[in-house]
Order: sequence, then structure tokens, then C-alpha cells
Amino acid sequence: SQQGEEDPQALSIQEGENATMNCSYKTSINNLQWYRQNSGRGLVHLILIRSNEREKHSGRLRVTLDTSKKSSSLLITASRAADTASYFCATDRFQGAQKLVFGQGTRLTINP
Amino acid sequence: DGGITQSPKYLFRKEGQNVTLSCEQNLNHDAMYWYRQDPGQGLRLIYYSQIVNDFQKGDIAEGYSVSREKKESFPLTVTSAQKNPTAFYLCASSISAGGYGYTFGSGTRLTVV
Repeated sequence: SQQGEEDPQALSIQEGENATMNCSYKTSINNLQWYRQNSGRGLVHLILIRSNEREKHSGRLRVTLDTSKKSSSLLITASRAADTASYFCATDRFQGAQKLVFGQGTRLTINP
Repeated sequence: DGGITQSPKYLFRKEGQNVTLSCEQNLNHDAMYWYRQDPGQGLRLIYYSQIVNDFQKGDIAEGYSVSREKKESFPLTVTSAQKNPTAFYLCASSISAGGYGYTFGSGTRLTVV
């Protein structure tokens, strides 16, 4: 069962521009996490935001969480070619077994 | 350096054959997970284990089996009952179940020949 839905499915921008990806989910959560996956590789954890937090920063990454709308966004500022990857949101549900449920991902391409 | 090691990187399975994918971590994490990823798709949970000698089915457990005899190891067996096993398999671990980020291995690509 997919909990998170990322939007857009694919995004292509020029190097130096900002990239914004969105994630919507259906059930109450403990936290929401964002991961990056380079082609054919494992996922890398980027950032975790808890349900009582509204915004979090890590370097060029900014994540927001709106629990009333059940949505989150990931902003990458001043994009670089090395940011080309797929980005996934994952939710840690409030009730039930403690396991992450991943969305389908956004494929981000940074053009030089 | 601590991390998760998955082996082999590529695996080929004949029809009707069982194969086992290895996952080892030296992070001293209690929880471990197996996910399956199909091309262009997200991850789907196969099995997870919150503690040694205990594991639970995920969303797509049919045709798979696991064991958790040691904290460091969580092997996944793809049985002949799994009718469409060709996929990318990812193992992950976390400090404990819930509230923490996951560390992923580099994956095993399984192909049926």
C-alpha cells in the first residue's frame, strides 16, 4: 500500500535553479522522511521531520510539513548537476507497526 | 566504517529455483527491512524485523522468506512460489523500529533467466 504520493513524477530544471517536490499522504504520521536515490543505487536518507515540526533545514535542503493538509515539500536551492536523482518521501505512521511506507518518487534532472 | 552490505550485486535465477540474498550490517541496529523496487516505481515492503528471532510480513511477503538469527544478518530467500521475482531488492536498517531514518544497502538486482 502506497502512503505517499509525490508530485511531480518528473522534473527537469537548469543548474542553479531551485527544485520543489511535493508529497501528500493519507493517514496520521509520527514523522515524514525524504530520501535520494541515484540510478541503480541504494537510497540515502536526507532529512526527517516530526509531526510537531513545520519546517526543517539541512544545507541546501528545506523541508516543510503541513499536517492539516497531510502534505510535505522538499526544496533544493541552487541546484547542481550532482543533485540529479530520484527523490522519495516516506511516512512513519502514527499507529500500527513501525515501518516506513514510500511513495513513487520524483525523478529530478538538473541540466548543465 | 559502519554500513550495510548486500550481496551479490547481481543474481540470476532459473525458473523453479530458490535463491538467497544476503544482508549484513555492522551498525548495531535493532531493526532491519527488505524492500522490493520495480523499474520506475517506489519501494514495497517485503518483510521486517524489529528484534532478533522475530520478524513480520510486509505488504508483499508471498513467495519470500526471511530469518533473523543474528542481529547483524537478515537474509531474504526468494522461493519458486514468487512468480515475478525480477526486481531490485533493497535491505535497510534503523536504530530501532519507528522514529529514525533508515540506512540502505546498495541493492541486489535479481533477474530470472
